[in-house]
Amino acid sequence: QKEVEQNSGPLSVPEGAIASLNCTYSDRGSQSFFWYRQYSGKSPELIMSIYSNGDKEDGRFTAQLNKASQYVSLLIRDSQPSDSATYLCAVKTSYDKVIFGPGTSLSVIP
Amino acid sequence: KAGVTQTPRYLIKTRGQQVTLSCSPISGHRSVSWYQQTPGQGLQFLFEYFSETQRNKGNFPGRFSGRQFSNSRSEMNVSTLELGDSALYLCASSPYSGGASTGELFFGEGSRLTVL
Repeated sequence: QKEVEQNSGPLSVPEGAIASLNCTYSDRGSQSFFWYRQYSGKSPELIMSIYSNGDKEDGRFTAQLNKASQYVSLLIRDSQPSDSATYLCAVKTSYDKVIFGPGTSLSVIP
Repeated sequence: KAGVTQTPRYLIKTRGQQVTLSCSPISGHRSVSWYQQTPGQGLQFLFEYFSETQRNKGNFPGRFSGRQFSNSRSEMNVSTLELGDSALYLCASSPYSGGASTGELFFGEGSRLTVL
């Protein structure tokens, strides 16, 4: 079992729709969770951090965490073509390593 | 505030050679992590340094090594290069809070290594 898994892509959504990205992790002791966005040819950029169960909203982005289910998600509301990128879920494990999932490629169709 | 700076940006080496990559973290960040990114394996953790000490290491062979200097700048070295070492090597710095890295990583633009 991989340490961090993400729903396989690519994911295509029409402009203005909600994009939903999912992530599961195996280390139950993990306490910190992150979403990164990576445009083609660029390095990853941190867009959200979440540490407690529940929802955290930042503009059009909402991160959701359920530690009991070992599940993290990212919702992007009113998706724009500029949101087209690969989204990486990352988890700071109980042994202090930050491990990344394989990423989900999102394409927002105008 | 300047971001994470990595040099060189691109380099080409041949099998058997060695390479050293450099990383300057964001001012005030004392933790530096290195990752290898390839299309097939994604982002793989290499190691993390804090206060000149290696705190964590990923599952890479001993040919991969690193160090951190007193000014928090870091280098990583790959010896006896293999074709499979061709990848984008990313350095990331992280702020510390309460004696531990927050886990929030701020990446440099990477060093793209091609091994022929």
